[in-house]
Amino acid sequence: GESVGLHLPTLSVQEGDNSIINCAYSNSASDYFIWYKQESGKGPQFIIDIRSNMDKRQGQRVTVLLNKTVKHLSLQIAATQPGDSAVYFCAENKGQAGTALIFGKGTTLSVSS
Amino acid sequence: DSGVTQTPKHLITATGQRVTLRCSPRSGDLSVYWYQQSLDQGLQFLIQYYNGEERAKGNILERFSAQQFPDLHSELNLSSLELGDSALYFCASSPHEGNQPQHFGDGTRLSIL
Repeated sequence: GESVGLHLPTLSVQEGDNSIINCAYSNSASDYFIWYKQESGKGPQFIIDIRSNMDKRQGQRVTVLLNKTVKHLSLQIAATQPGDSAVYFCAENKGQAGTALIFGKGTTLSVSS
Repeated sequence: DSGVTQTPKHLITATGQRVTLRCSPRSGDLSVYWYQQSLDQGLQFLIQYYNGEERAKGNILERFSAQQFPDLHSELNLSSLELGDSALYFCASSPHEGNQPQHFGDGTRLSIL
């Protein structure tokens, strides 16, 4: 069925390292993808999004890569900081079926200083 | 601060009861989404409203219902509560119906005793 999964449930990095969080999606009809960060006790916070007509998009310290051939999405965080520690979710829309988001299970990023 | 306000933050009640969760979207946002987050199911889409009209339904139980009022705030009603309904309930909003970032509130934590 439709699902968005993540390759690793946890990722531990040192402060200053670059982090890469991966996500695989299964719905070829999805045309919008988005990354969220969720800190403890808070709601998901928008990080960056990308549409299916693009393969790369950059924000402040973050880059999202989309590979439609293998249905893979990744989030790269440059110079990771302790404040980046959180759970990261990728999500996809349902293509023509609507704009509700389908979320993956999340990757917990731990940054040690 | 996402601009989305959810009340109450915490709700403790008993099985069989009924509760109402409230959401005020960001100023100017017409679309409201409700999601449920539980440990075993992750973040699951429940229902979407746009400018007062229901637009999409996800994994929403028949015991649950929602509405969006003329002032655009939304309420999620949960009835005949069961232990398994214990979860975080998030509201998100976006300006229009198209694919765009949804901004989340900090949720209502519902505990069923």
